[in-house]
Amino acid sequence: SQTIHQWPATLVQPVGSPLSLECTVEGTSNPNLYWYRQAAGRGLQLLFYSVGIGQISSEVPQNLSASRPQDRQFILSSKKLLLSDSGFYLCAWSRTGGNTIYFGEGSWLTVV
Amino acid sequence: QQQVKQSPQSLIVQKGGISIINCAYENTAFDYFPWYQQFPGKGPALLIAIRPDVSEKKEGRFTISFNKSAKQFSLHIMDSQPGDSATYFCAASSVVTLRAGSYQLTFGKGTKLSVIP
Repeated sequence: SQTIHQWPATLVQPVGSPLSLECTVEGTSNPNLYWYRQAAGRGLQLLFYSVGIGQISSEVPQNLSASRPQDRQFILSSKKLLLSDSGFYLCAWSRTGGNTIYFGEGSWLTVV
Repeated sequence: QQQVKQSPQSLIVQKGGISIINCAYENTAFDYFPWYQQFPGKGPALLIAIRPDVSEKKEGRFTISFNKSAKQFSLHIMDSQPGDSATYFCAASSVVTLRAGSYQLTFGKGTKLSVIP
């Protein structure tokens, strides 16, 4: 069966510090990978998606970036965090050609 | 045209009652309509999904009703239980052009359901 792991689960970072959230998927190959953000009490905003290694599409211009160094690894980064980057970040995956998206457990980021 | 409008924003239902959440869309290219359930502090989990060639799909106490001509779909939770208290998201899927077979979900803003004993 397929599983998705996302870490860290919680982090508190000062403004201006860097960020790295990591996500890996097991039990499948060549998945589509996604990063979503969910602000408190709000909906799901797609930040990035990737259909293959090194292929990243950005949906929202911001100070975040994503990378896919390996087939089943997806990383969300920032060089300098802003207060507005606080939120619940969700990694997700889908099969190639599949239209069901499966979410990880999420990472709570608080920028102080 | 990519929006999915969801209502109500919050819903309080008595235990045993019927919870109804509605969604509407505009993009006729959407071809898959899932519902996700999210408990506090957790990632959303797929609950039930429907394709536009079907008007209704039922799984246990959860039913999706789909009206293609009106471009609306809804989630009905029968015999609602306190354990159903969660945020529910409707979504619609369309193929993105980056690579054939890649789908992208457009989510509604969510409905916070509270089922009171």
